[in-house]
Amino acid sequence: QLVLTQSPSASASLGASVKLTCTLSSGHSSYAIAWHQQQPEKGPRYLMKLNSDGSHSKGDGIPDRFSGSSSGAERYLTISSLQSEDEADYYCQTWGTGILVFGGGTKLTVL
Amino acid sequence: QVQLQESGPGLVKPSETLSLTCTVSGGSISSYYWSWIRQPPGKGLEWIGYIYYSGSTNYNPSLKSRVTISVDTSKNQFSLKLSSVTAADTAVYYCASTPNNGDYDLNYWGQGTLVTVSS
Repeated sequence: QLVLTQSPSASASLGASVKLTCTLSSGHSSYAIAWHQQQPEKGPRYLMKLNSDGSHSKGDGIPDRFSGSSSGAERYLTISSLQSEDEADYYCQTWGTGILVFGGGTKLTVL
Repeated sequence: QVQLQESGPGLVKPSETLSLTCTVSGGSISSYYWSWIRQPPGKGLEWIGYIYYSGSTNYNPSLKSRVTISVDTSKNQFSLKLSSVTAADTAVYYCASTPNNGDYDLNYWGQGTLVTVSS
């Protein structure tokens, strides 16, 4: 079964960097994912597509502060030079044959 | 750049059918797959299903018996119908696009519309 696992919460200080993790279920380590950001009281915003080899393509207007990387079944979103507006929920999303799947989301707090 | 806008009733009675429409601008409806996603208050995102302009669909197995997604290429719109709704279907409903390139990343989103199921 295709499942994405995310930690419920993370925190980091203003100006620092943070690395969020999304883990693919067993047998799906070659899958690409997408990262989405949802700021409070807003709809989701597409950040990037992230492949298993770590290559990624970002959405329109996404700053260079956002980057992605991969290792095995883990997919990472790194946000550098944290700003207050980066405080948001971050969701990973993947796809299989005829199905799309979301992770449970990580709530990022900027201290 | 693709823009999406959801529309439809904000209040639906239990056991009735929820109906929403997504209007697409800035891109051809034949160039993408089109998805519906929902988010209950305070919870995460749940994919409902997607459609291609040809009319082919795929649905979340947990909702498949109650969901119908259709497309109207002449109006650049696609629609969602969810039957026999209960309070558990109360959520913000989003429409989103997926590029027609073999990957299904949701690369553009609508702003969402809140649907409340209540008598």
